[in-house]
Order: sequence, then structure tokens, then C-alpha cells
Amino acid sequence: QKEVEQNSGPLSVPEGAIASLNCTYSDRGSQSFFWYRQYSGKSPELIMFIYSNGDKEDGRFTAQLNKASQYVSLLIRDSQPSDSATYLCAVNRSGAGSYQLTFGKGTKLSVIP
Amino acid sequence: EAGVAQSPRYKIIEKRQSVAFWCNPISGHATLYWYQQILGQGPKLLIQFQNNGVVDDSQLPKDRFSAERLKGVDSTLKIQPAKLEDSAVYLCASSLTAGTGNTIYFGEGSWLTVV
Repeated sequence: QKEVEQNSGPLSVPEGAIASLNCTYSDRGSQSFFWYRQYSGKSPELIMFIYSNGDKEDGRFTAQLNKASQYVSLLIRDSQPSDSATYLCAVNRSGAGSYQLTFGKGTKLSVIP
Repeated sequence: EAGVAQSPRYKIIEKRQSVAFWCNPISGHATLYWYQQILGQGPKLLIQFQNNGVVDDSQLPKDRFSAERLKGVDSTLKIQPAKLEDSAVYLCASSLTAGTGNTIYFGEGSWLTVV
């Protein structure tokens, strides 16, 4: 069964620190990887996606992908209280033709002022 | 640009009753998804449409859930009869096409409580 695993947290970091969120996936054929942020009671919103091994930076966010280890992470630099949310890792199911996302359970992040 | 619209936002029903949720995707988006998100878990895909055809409904409990997307625009998800374990948020999402690289946008969700 194709799975996406995340530590449910909560992960607490002080304001201004780096928050590190991790995700592993079981399907070696997965091709694209996404991080969504979900505030309590709200719908998921896309933060970043990454397709290739290595790092991808966008403002305070950096996504890291290691396909050999089946591992993807999200770093949030200079964490702000407004970053407090649940972060969902999602993986594009292999076997193309249909573009779907399989989500992990999410990691709850709390940024302490 | 208007986002994905869903209604009703909240619904409370008794078990064995029926409920229907409506979704209007972003204009021009050919692909529409229904996800179920149980509290504390990530969204789980129930069904995917490409225009008005079903691409994948492998995780849809077909004995009680049904969905349709007539005319390739709006969609309706129905549950009949509802069970306690159906209590969840039902998220509708859409993307321009079904190809990799197309962002999937979510609606605000329809919150269902079955008592």
C-alpha cells in the first residue's frame, strides 16, 4: 500500500528559529512532492512542490528531496507565529495518466512568540 | 479569480439519513476531486473526475457514496445511508488538467457530523 508518513507532532519552535518538517513515502515510483499548509478549520493551501533531488527555496521555505532515501522535508526559516498550522506532505501517485495526491496525516507546528 | 465553492459548509444528520454536498470548481478547471478528511488525518481521495468522466473511484465506498459531475462543471457527492464514521470534512478540489505541474486548489470544505 502506498503510504506517506509524517510525525504528527506537535512540533514547537520559538519565534525566529528554523522549523524542520519531515516526510517519508513508500512508493519508489513517486514523481512529485508537495507541501500544503492547513490552518485549523481551513482548507489546505499549497506552499511548495519539488520534483528533483536536492533543495528548492522559496522565500523562507526550503523543500528538500532525496529519492534514494524516499524522504522529503520542509524547512521554515525565521519561523513566525503565523506559521502555526498543520503541514501536510503529499505525493503524486505514480502511474501517470491521472494526477492525484496521496497525503500524510500532517505535522502540527506551533511557533511560540 | 473565484475559488472552489462548496455548500453546505456545515451539516449535522442522524445515522442512516442521507446528505448531499455540492461543488463548483474554478472556472475552466477540467479535473475535479472529492477528498474526505477525518479529524487528525490527511485528506483521502474519494473520486476524481476529468470533465464529466470518472478517472478513479477506487476508494469511494460505493455501497453508500455516489458522485456525479454532469456537464463537466459542478459536482455532487451523496452519502446514503450515513454512518457515524462518515463524520469528516469533505473537500472538493480542482485543477486545470490532470497533468503533473498543475496546482490542485481546495475549497473550504463541507463539515459533516453524523450523530
